[in-house]
Amino acid sequence: NAGVTQTPKFQVLKTGQSMTLQCAQDMNHEYMSWYRQDPGMGLRLIHYSVGAGITDQGEVPNGYNVSRSTTEDFPLRLLSAAPSQTSVYFCASSYSGTGIGYGYTFGSGTRLTVV
Amino acid sequence: GQQVMQIPQYQHVQEGEDFTTYCNSSTTLSNIQWYKQRPGGHPVFLIQLVKSGEVKKQKRLTFQFGEAKKNSSLHITATQTTDVGTYFCAQANQAGTALIFGKGTTLSVSS
Repeated sequence: NAGVTQTPKFQVLKTGQSMTLQCAQDMNHEYMSWYRQDPGMGLRLIHYSVGAGITDQGEVPNGYNVSRSTTEDFPLRLLSAAPSQTSVYFCASSYSGTGIGYGYTFGSGTRLTVV
Repeated sequence: GQQVMQIPQYQHVQEGEDFTTYCNSSTTLSNIQWYKQRPGGHPVFLIQLVKSGEVKKQKRLTFQFGEAKKNSSLHITATQTTDVGTYFCAQANQAGTALIFGKGTTLSVSS
C-alpha cells in the first residue's frame, strides 16, 4: 500500500524550462489536489480534481497546468519555470474530499528550485 | 481570498506546558479538518470536526468546534518534544470540492 507517491523528490530547473511533477495514488481516491508551500504562507491550493477528466483552479493556478486522465494519476506541469515557483509541492488525495470522512493523504513532496 | 485565520503563527513552550492554536473563519463552516506537519515532513490528517460545539480528544490533544461553526481550536496538554511541528486547520472551498488551509501554527518545544 504505497499511498500517494510523488516524483521527483528534488529538482533544479533553469528559468524558462518546463517540467512535470508526477503524482500517483493507489487508494482509488476521486479527490486529488496540488499545493505549494512557501515559508510563512501555509499550503496554497494550485489545482484540484474531483475525478478523472475533471479539474479546476485553486488559489494560485497561474503558471501551472493539470490533467486527470486516470483516477490514479494527477500530474502538475510547469509551462515555463520562474524563480517565483521555487517551492515545495505537495500532492494530496482523499476518498471523501471535504465531506465527512478521513481527510487527505499527502505525498512526501517535491522540492523545486528554479534558478 | 477565502482562508481560515490561524493564531498564533509561532509558539514556543517549555516541555510540560500546555499549547493552544486557534482557527477563525468569517463564514459558517460545514466542517473543519486539522493536520500536523513535522519539520521536513508532509501534512498528516489528525481529525475532522463536523457538529456544532463538538469536542474530540486524541490522548493529550483536544479539538473543539465552536457553537457557531466559525471557529475551532486545538489544545495540547503537557507538551512533549514529539509535538514539535506545524499545525494546520483546513476548510472546504466554496464549492466544497477542495481544502483551503490556514497558514498554520508552528510549535517548538524545549526540554
